[in-house]
Amino acid sequence: GAVVSQHPSRVICKSGTSVKIECRSLDFQATTMFWYRQFPKQSLMLMATSNEGSKATYEQGVEKDKFLINHASLTLSTLTVTSAHPEDSSFYICSANLLGQGDQETQYFGPGTRLLVL
Amino acid sequence: AQSVTQLDSQVPVFEEAPVELRCNYSSSVSVYLFWYVQYPNQGLQLLLKYLSGSTLVKSINGFEAEFNKSQTSFHLRKPSVHISDTAEYFCAVSSPTGNQFYFGTGTSLTVIP
Repeated sequence: GAVVSQHPSRVICKSGTSVKIECRSLDFQATTMFWYRQFPKQSLMLMATSNEGSKATYEQGVEKDKFLINHASLTLSTLTVTSAHPEDSSFYICSANLLGQGDQETQYFGPGTRLLVL
Repeated sequence: AQSVTQLDSQVPVFEEAPVELRCNYSSSVSVYLFWYVQYPNQGLQLLLKYLSGSTLVKSINGFEAEFNKSQTSFHLRKPSVHISDTAEYFCAVSSPTGNQFYFGTGTSLTVIP
């Protein structure tokens, strides 16, 4: 299966700072990537759809100025949590599908990034 | 739009016993269905999927799920569980016309020695 990586795996930061999370497709090109947020003991909530070369599409209730998404290349999407606050502490997971490469129906997930804002 | 319901938030089961994790969906269009497994502090791993064809799909580690269109269900089963199956299991649905996934709230499977 396709491999998706995330960096960092865990980050602790002070309130008010910005944190960047990278999502990379290691062995395939991803024109579309997805960013999810998962609270403890809860399901994944789609935050936004990241499109290479264009603006991200945000789900209702997600602040686009708070969660900046940049899909700079076909293998890299970044999520920047700006001016992070303790309520932003969560598990952030990205995913991608093999659009146009024979397995486009399946989403492959990164290992996630645990963010803790003090 | 689609939605997914996982009725059981927690399922404890003894080792080597059978287990069924329930998943029901709602959709006005045809669907793709997925089961993902999440181990502690890790991302999601695809367990199995139904796209079309045979309604019974199987994974390499003994899990199987059956797509039942009339009951709008995609329950996950395993005839004999192992300690290593302890994890969170998520059912998800998408449609052939879109690439968004909708997840259920998850079922925490705990295998008791």
